[in-house]
Amino acid sequence: AQSVTQLDSHVSVSEGTPVLLRCNYSSSYSPSLFWYVQHPNKGLQLLLKYTSAATLVKGINGFEAEFKKSETSFHLTKPSAHMSDAAEYFCVVIFNDMRFGAGTRLTVKP
Amino acid sequence: NAGVTQTPKFRVLKTGQSMTLLCAQDMNHEYMYWYRQDPGMGLRLIHYSVGEGTTAKGEVPDGYNVSRLKKQNFLLGLESAAPSQTSVYFCASSYPPLADNEQFFGPGTRLTVL
Repeated sequence: AQSVTQLDSHVSVSEGTPVLLRCNYSSSYSPSLFWYVQHPNKGLQLLLKYTSAATLVKGINGFEAEFKKSETSFHLTKPSAHMSDAAEYFCVVIFNDMRFGAGTRLTVKP
Repeated sequence: NAGVTQTPKFRVLKTGQSMTLLCAQDMNHEYMYWYRQDPGMGLRLIHYSVGEGTTAKGEVPDGYNVSRLKKQNFLLGLESAAPSQTSVYFCASSYPPLADNEQFFGPGTRLTVL
């Protein structure tokens, strides 16, 4: 069965510093992978997706993620954090079914 | 376009009561989903539908029923609410196939079962 693990439940960065949110998956085949963001008291919004095209995927708001098959990882990065990036981020893996990671709460300090 | 809407936004039930959550989408999406979100567990799929008149079980279907009589609506029912069903419920919709397409989420319904 496939699964997804977000390695950090909480990440705290200062404004203007890089962001790294880690996601590892377990699957027999290369799945489709998504990152969603949830701002407080809101629904989820798609940040980016990987569907077997380019391994480096660019998303909205300056986020990008790299699919590394050898490491079964799909980490989310952003070069410079902004206060508005504070939110919860979910990694999602889809093959035969869909699994959400437990989420990573990103805090951005001024 | 309103996107995906959910009613109600908040609800408090007593154990054993029943209720129905309504999800509506105006994007002509074939697929619709119901999730529950609990702290530290991400979102878990309760039921989903791949078209009008069809429904299927997700990861945590027990205690819930669904119906998709119209393409734009997806109803989630709790026949006899239990405190373990206290959660935030999200509805979503998408075009097929799931693996390639973004899901659009509603704003959520916060349900408390006393």
